[in-house]
Amino acid sequence: EIVMTQSPATLSVSPGERVTLSCRASESIRGKLAWYQQTPGQVPRLLIYDASTTATNVPARFRGSGSGTEFTLTISGLQSEDVAIYYCQQCYIWPRTFGQGTKVEIK
Amino acid sequence: EVQLVQSGGGLAQPGGSLRLSCVVSGFTFSSYEMDWVRQAPGKGLEWIAYISHSGSTIYYADSLRGRFTVSRDNAKNSLFLQMDSLGAEDTALYYCARVGLPMDAFDVWGEGTMVAVSS
Repeated sequence: EIVMTQSPATLSVSPGERVTLSCRASESIRGKLAWYQQTPGQVPRLLIYDASTTATNVPARFRGSGSGTEFTLTISGLQSEDVAIYYCQQCYIWPRTFGQGTKVEIK
Repeated sequence: EVQLVQSGGGLAQPGGSLRLSCVVSGFTFSSYEMDWVRQAPGKGLEWIAYISHSGSTIYYADSLRGRFTVSRDNAKNSLFLQMDSLGAEDTALYYCARVGLPMDAFDVWGEGTMVAVSS
């Protein structure tokens, strides 16, 4: 099983600041990584797939990057509606494991 | 509009069974792979099962220990999760999710159905 490790666990950021979330895979996943956003009380929402492809209707301030085992989700200019838990998921092999999540808060 | 409407959750006793359903609309169900994901209260997301578009290929999380069975009825646009020998560790919000095309990620999620296992 591929283990996905996200860091940090919690991030407190001022509105308008840039946010960088990290996700590491225990072995290469060849760019098959997705990012999801789960706002409080809501269903997860796909943000990024294939490491860097933005999903439909996702604002341009969300950008994914990385390859192999190291991946990053960047939010360029945090807005209040971005307060959420962000999960990465490897889509390379089964089981399709998720990271433990990074909680993004407004400072 | 693409929709995944879930039902079948509730309270079950330890050792009991439940069957979850996910009825889809707004897309050609038979063309899409589907998965189940669960989220224990206050915890993160856990992938638990996958079924191919035809139902011929199925994968499960090892944590299920053979207690759950995923199936689908393409004629009825429906996905199912049969859960047997339930334990407290199965208490969670269960989501069905569509694997998008041409991606491998989950582009559409059901609203979730709560399963609580308690005596």
